[in-house]
Amino acid sequence: QVQLKESGPGLVQPSQTLSLTCTVSGFSLTSYSVHWVRQHSGKSLEWMGRMWSDGDTSYNSAFTSRLSISRDTSKSQVFLKMNSLQTEDTGTYYCARNHPPDYWGQGVMVTVSS
Amino acid sequence: DVVLTQTPSTLSATIGQSVSISCRSSQSLLDSAGNTYLYWYLQRPGQSPQLLIYLVSNLGSGVPNRFSGSGSGTDFTLKISGVEAEDLGVYYCMQATHAPYTFGAGTKLELK
Repeated sequence: QVQLKESGPGLVQPSQTLSLTCTVSGFSLTSYSVHWVRQHSGKSLEWMGRMWSDGDTSYNSAFTSRLSISRDTSKSQVFLKMNSLQTEDTGTYYCARNHPPDYWGQGVMVTVSS
Repeated sequence: DVVLTQTPSTLSATIGQSVSISCRSSQSLLDSAGNTYLYWYLQRPGQSPQLLIYLVSNLGSGVPNRFSGSGSGTDFTLKISGVEAEDLGVYYCMQATHAPYTFGAGTKLELK
C-alpha cells in the first residue's frame, strides 16, 4: 500500500530554516519521483520542487536560492530544507509520488511566526 | 511562468446535474514531442488532492467514468456527467509541460 507522510515542526521563527521529512512506504524512491507542493490556507497549490528517481532534483525558480531537496533511499525518506523563512511561507506542505503526482501525503501545517 | 485560468471560480450544482470547468493556459501546453501535460485534481474538504485526469483526457485509477477531460493547446475542460455528493470540493488543473509546474486557482463545486 502506497503511503507518504510528512513530518516536521509546526512552528518556525522568521528567518529560520524549515526542515521537513517525507517518509514513504509501498514503493521505492529509486523507481518514483517525489514532489513537494505547498498550499497557503484557502489558496491554490504551488509546486516547489521534485526529487527524481535517479536522484536528480528540479526546483521552482521562485524558491531556487533557498530550497534544497535531498533523500535517503535506505530510510525511504525525502527531505525538504528551506531557509530564510518569512510569514508568507506559512501553509500546508505536501509530498506526493510520481509524475503527475498520484499519491499524496496528508500534509503538514507550518506556521512562520515569532 | 504559465498561468492557468480556471472558470468559474465557484460552481453551484444539484445532485445529478452535469457541469463543466474550463482551464485556459497562457501558453500552449503541447510540447515538441506531441504530448500535452495537463492534469485535473479534486481536493475534498480537509483532504489532499486526488488525481482525476492525466494527459488531458485519461481517467485516473479508480476515478468514476462520470468524469471526463478534453481540450488541446491552451483550452481544456473537465466535465462531470451527473454530480454526486462525493464530488464536492475544489477542482484544480495543473500543467507540467513548462517548468515550473503550475496550478490553476481552483473551482469550488458546491451544492445548490
